[in-house]
Amino acid sequence: DIQMTQSPPSLSASLGDKVTITCQASQNINKYIAWYQQKPGKAPRLLIRYTSTLESGTPSRFSGSGSGRDYSFSISNVESEDIASYYCLQYDNLPYTFGAGTKLELK
Amino acid sequence: EVQLVESGGGLVQPGRSLKLSCLASGFTFSNYGMNWIRQAPGKGLEWVASISSSSSYIYYADTVKGRFTISRDNAKNTLYLQMTSLRSEDTALYYCARRIIRGPFDYWGQGVMVTVSS
Repeated sequence: DIQMTQSPPSLSASLGDKVTITCQASQNINKYIAWYQQKPGKAPRLLIRYTSTLESGTPSRFSGSGSGRDYSFSISNVESEDIASYYCLQYDNLPYTFGAGTKLELK
Repeated sequence: EVQLVESGGGLVQPGRSLKLSCLASGFTFSNYGMNWIRQAPGKGLEWVASISSSSSYIYYADTVKGRFTISRDNAKNTLYLQMTSLRSEDTALYYCARRIIRGPFDYWGQGVMVTVSS
């Protein structure tokens, strides 16, 4: 199984900051990584697929990059509506596996 | 508008069974692979099972293999998860989610809670 090591587990940011979350896969996942946002009591929302492709409706302040085993997700100019948990997902190989999540809080 | 609505959750004793349903609307259900993903209270996300559009390919996480069965009825636009021999560690919010071939889970239901406890 592919392990996804996501860091940091939590992040404290001020409005307007840039924050970055990383996911390292235990093997090459060929850019098949997605990023989700989850707010309390809600289902996860797909923000980015295939490393860097923004979903329709995803604000341009969100971005993704990476290759091989190492990937990152960034939010530039954090807004209050971005306060949530974020998860990476590898969908290159079964079983599909998620990172443990990053909780973004306001400083 | 794509909608996925889960039902069938509840409180069940260890060792008993429960069947979840997910009613899909707003898209051509028979064209998409479907999945169950769960989230234990306060924890992260765990993929549980996957079924292809025509039910030809079915996969399970090792944690549920042999106990859970995923199925679908394309005529009824409904996805199912039959859960047997339930354990306390199966307690979670269960989401159904759509997936295209070689794509991530793009639409999710609101989730249905399953609590396994005596």
